[in-house]
Amino acid sequence: EIVLTQSPGTLSLSPGERATLSCRASQSVDSTYLAWYQQKPGQAPRLLIYGASIRATGIPDRFSGSGSGTDFTLTISRLEPEDFAVYYCQQYDISPLYTFGQGTKLEIK
Amino acid sequence: EVQLVESGGGLVQPGGSLRLSCEASGFTFSSYWMHWVRQAPGKGLVWVSRINSDGSSRSYADSVKGRFTISRDNAKTMLYLQMNSLRAEDTAVYYCAREIRISGSTKPAFDIWGQGTMVTVAS
Repeated sequence: EIVLTQSPGTLSLSPGERATLSCRASQSVDSTYLAWYQQKPGQAPRLLIYGASIRATGIPDRFSGSGSGTDFTLTISRLEPEDFAVYYCQQYDISPLYTFGQGTKLEIK
Repeated sequence: EVQLVESGGGLVQPGGSLRLSCEASGFTFSSYWMHWVRQAPGKGLVWVSRINSDGSSRSYADSVKGRFTISRDNAKTMLYLQMNSLRAEDTAVYYCAREIRISGSTKPAFDIWGQGTMVTVAS
């Protein structure tokens, strides 16, 4: 079973700053199968990135994804007030089919 | 508008059963693989189950295998999750989600989510 570990657990930044969120896999992950989501309190998750680096429809270009193998990164170039939320990475493998990281909370400093 | 709306959650005793429903609209439901994902209070996301577009293939997380059954009715654009032998650890918000399709093929990510329905297993 591939385990995804996200770091840091909490990231405190100010609007306008750059955010770098990490997702590390316990085994190599096909980058085609790595996605990122944003979740705000009381809301459903929202797909940001799939295929490690492809922005989903309607996602602003300040969000970007990168990485391969076991190390993946979500970068938010300039934080807007609405970007403060919890972020999850997710991967697809044989068993279990789909797993999520434990999440990174991005909070206002 | 592309939309998924869940219903059927509630309070149930340990060992009991519940059937969740998810009504899809605004897209060709029969073309998409569909999923259930859950989130315990204050916790992260956990994938529960998947069904392919025509319902011929189903997969489950080990934690629910043998207790939960996913199904769909493409004519009614409905997705279901029958949950039996419920346990306290099944307490969560249950989301239905659509697997993204790009250029006619599925990609293992979820692009449309419902608002979720809360299931509480307690005596």
